[in-house]
Amino acid sequence: EPEVTQTPSHQVTQMGQEVILRCVPISNHLYFYWYRQILGQKVEFLVSFYNNEISEKSEIFDDQFSVERPDGSNFTLKIRSTKLEDSAMYFCASSETDSTFYGNQPQHFGDGTRLSIL
Amino acid sequence: SQQGEEDPQALSIQEGENATMNCSYKTSINNLQWYRQNSGRGLVHLILIRSNEREKHSGRLRVTLDTSKKSSSLLITASRAADTASYFCATEDSGTYKYIFGTGTRLKVLA
Repeated sequence: EPEVTQTPSHQVTQMGQEVILRCVPISNHLYFYWYRQILGQKVEFLVSFYNNEISEKSEIFDDQFSVERPDGSNFTLKIRSTKLEDSAMYFCASSETDSTFYGNQPQHFGDGTRLSIL
Repeated sequence: SQQGEEDPQALSIQEGENATMNCSYKTSINNLQWYRQNSGRGLVHLILIRSNEREKHSGRLRVTLDTSKKSSSLLITASRAADTASYFCATEDSGTYKYIFGTGTRLKVLA
């Protein structure tokens, strides 16, 4: 069964450094998402992306965050100047279509990247 | 309470018993989904129930949805040790189409 893959599985970065988290969504999916989960807390929506632009973003997704689909397969999340509170698991997800037009569609998640800011 | 709150927060049962987890939410939704998360892993989609559905089955899983009470339940029958995981509900908000996850129920099935 096709799956969403994320790299690296664990990223350790100094505070203030830039970090890029990478995701390869399922190949025929068109909608892409990033979520984060701080240790012991709930999964929080960050951003959704379709047709090379952001569809929705949460209040967490401030100017320090950006997303990009640099080629036909990768979907990246960049944090420009990391803070201690950015330490979390970051999950990428993709879905084939969007509920807006085609009805209810599940999102498929990767295993996540654990980001540790020192 | 927050959107997508599960209860109980933790549940410990013996193998073979049934496990029931509940989820409450606050806004209007298009659908509600249940996910499983093994420790340190990603979220695995279990089942989706649309807002116009009341009950859905998938293998040993049974999900109910009561939109008047804004609540859902997940029943796992004949539980196995391999069912040990955290279970999250996620609602798709009908206004924003954003997914909002609950706080999760940590299920431990004892062999």
